Amino acid sequence: DAGVTQSPTHLIKTRGQQVTLRCSPKSGHDTVSWYQQALGQGPQFIFQYYEEEERQRGNFPDRFSGHQFPNYSSELNVNALLLGDSALYLCASAQWGPEIAYGYTFGSGTRLTVV
Amino acid sequence: EDQVTQSPEALRLQEGESSSLNCSYTVSGLRGLFWYRQDPGKGPEFLFTLYSAGEEKEKERLKATLTKKESFLHITAPKPEDSATYLCAVLPPGGSYIPTFGRGTSLIVHP
Repeated sequence: DAGVTQSPTHLIKTRGQQVTLRCSPKSGHDTVSWYQQALGQGPQFIFQYYEEEERQRGNFPDRFSGHQFPNYSSELNVNALLLGDSALYLCASAQWGPEIAYGYTFGSGTRLTVV
Repeated sequence: EDQVTQSPEALRLQEGESSSLNCSYTVSGLRGLFWYRQDPGKGPEFLFTLYSAGEEKEKERLKATLTKKESFLHITAPKPEDSATYLCAVLPPGGSYIPTFGRGTSLIVHP
């Protein structure tokens, strides 16, 4: 049973460019959350998608946007990349419901380096 | 103000040398506290969920405890394979179901 799958694993982009990261949730999960983890920091919540809609958003600028597809997979888009966007981007999936907070499964992340 | 503070930031132990990691939180009405293990370049791996003060959970050499203001992750007779970053996260009161993470404690166990 595949867990959460993220692609690509590593990515190098130039400042000002745009990037798209992808996530396939664990089988049976219908909700996807995205986190940014800078080096030496804990994961910071970006946003969460359920039923193809953004359900909750953290304190991130509009340069960060996302999408969820009918098969529950998700994309994270970042426009006008800044050096400070360099981080490990984590995807976490869960099954929507009252116990959702207790059932997140994380992927291995995409390491984004902005130069 | 950070809701979750973990200490120490880094810890080096000799194999077999037991110790504890601390996670203090400022939220009241906690709905859950989570411990995760994260290996370098990997995503966090779930370890424990604690719900109320006095609760304890164990898994192999790890034991997590919870009081009204903090949680401890006790590591008994650690092995080099226990080396990782240990993250604590809390579920705040209200309707949010998004955990807030601390910065983690980086643990290195030397053979």
